[in-house]
Amino acid sequence: DAKTTQPPSMDCAEGRAANLPCNHSTISGNEYVYWYRQIHSQGPQYIIHGLKNNETNEMASLIITEDRKSSTLILPHATLRDTAVYYCIVRVAGGGTSYGKLTFGQGTILTVHP
Amino acid sequence: GAGVSQSPSNKVTEKGKDVELRCDPISGHTALYWYRQRLGQGLEFLIYFQGNSAPDKSGLPSDRFSAERTGESVSTLTIQRTQQEDSAVYLCASSRGGTGLNEQYFGPGTRLTVT
Repeated sequence: DAKTTQPPSMDCAEGRAANLPCNHSTISGNEYVYWYRQIHSQGPQYIIHGLKNNETNEMASLIITEDRKSSTLILPHATLRDTAVYYCIVRVAGGGTSYGKLTFGQGTILTVHP
Repeated sequence: GAGVSQSPSNKVTEKGKDVELRCDPISGHTALYWYRQRLGQGLEFLIYFQGNSAPDKSGLPSDRFSAERTGESVSTLTIQRTQQEDSAVYLCASSRGGTGLNEQYFGPGTRLTVT
């Protein structure tokens, strides 16, 4: 799986949009971009994923650049409960046990303050 | 429905003892994963089960680590002759399987402390 690079930490004011960048310049054509987050003392939680089109769900939006070398996770109205470590993961598509695991980096610690 | 459950939630053991950690995946999920998270670190993949396929054991750090899964149900992770460096939170996740793209649902983890 391709390597990802994220800033180690970011701050955001409550109610504002949080924009978390991720660089994945070595991504290949069959690799998806996934975002998970981990709130303190809990297991990771899936947020969103995409291949090349922008995606939106009830939690967040994912913007992937046209060359797919970077992406941004957007939390449109951050709350204090969004304080967590956010992981950007690139994952290859395919069946069988060669393709299932997630490779977590260090992630971005997002702190939402009042 | 119920999420992924793990037991025990905390385990303290003496160096050299064996431990067994249990994971109950979400019903109907054919894929099951074990990860380890040391204090202040990201998650490390350990092992992945998908249906009746041979498991991906590529992440197991040594032969002291093993895991089994009963059909598409419960899994146990066994650590033999525990060492202090085995202290970590052990996380289990399950997913609907298939292409490997389905989102993984994580349990709360088992915090293992080796004294």
